[in-house]
Amino acid sequence: EPEVTQTPSHQVTQMGQEVILRCVPISNHLYFYWYRQILGQKVEFLVSFYNNEISEKSEIFDDQFSVERPDGSNFTLKIRSTKLEDSAMYFCASSRKAGGPKRNIQYFGAGTRLSVL
Amino acid sequence: AQTVTQSQPEMSVQEAETVTLSCTYDTSESDYYLFWYKQPPSRQMILVIRQEAYKQQNATENRFSVNFQKAAKSFSLKISDSQLGDAAMYFCAYSPNTGNQFYFGTGTSLTVIP
Repeated sequence: EPEVTQTPSHQVTQMGQEVILRCVPISNHLYFYWYRQILGQKVEFLVSFYNNEISEKSEIFDDQFSVERPDGSNFTLKIRSTKLEDSAMYFCASSRKAGGPKRNIQYFGAGTRLSVL
Repeated sequence: AQTVTQSQPEMSVQEAETVTLSCTYDTSESDYYLFWYKQPPSRQMILVIRQEAYKQQNATENRFSVNFQKAAKSFSLKISDSQLGDAAMYFCAYSPNTGNQFYFGTGTSLTVIP
């Protein structure tokens, strides 16, 4: 079965540095998402992306964050100037949501663990 | 505001026995979806089962079934004939039909005892 893939699996960075987390969604999916999970806490929605623009974002997704689909396959999350509190597991997801029995199902990647030192 | 509550941080079950994980949610929407996801130690969340709110019939997937009580806003997951591979963190999630984002509970860590 097709999978969402995320790279790297673990990213270590210094506070204030920029990081880019990469995701390859499932190829025929139209909607893309980023979530984060701080250790011991809930998985939280960050942003959704459709038709090359943000369709929804949470309060967490401030000006330090941006998303991009630079080509036909990758979907990236950039954090411009990382803070200690950005340390978390970041999950990418994709969905078809175009109709049919599998609409609204989000498929998740294995996550990138971001450690900000 | 939509919230999802899982009141059981940890559960355990004997292999081959049945266990039920609880989930409640709060919403003013009438049309939505509910999900159970499993997150094994490898950390990738896998869909276990999905329920569409407009369907009264409870969803089932092999050994997994749900008890969906729309009026009570309750969505519990029953795992029958538990297997060692069922050990994982289980997340309940809600998604409104009109929006994109998922709202997750805090998760229930399930241990399967051989």
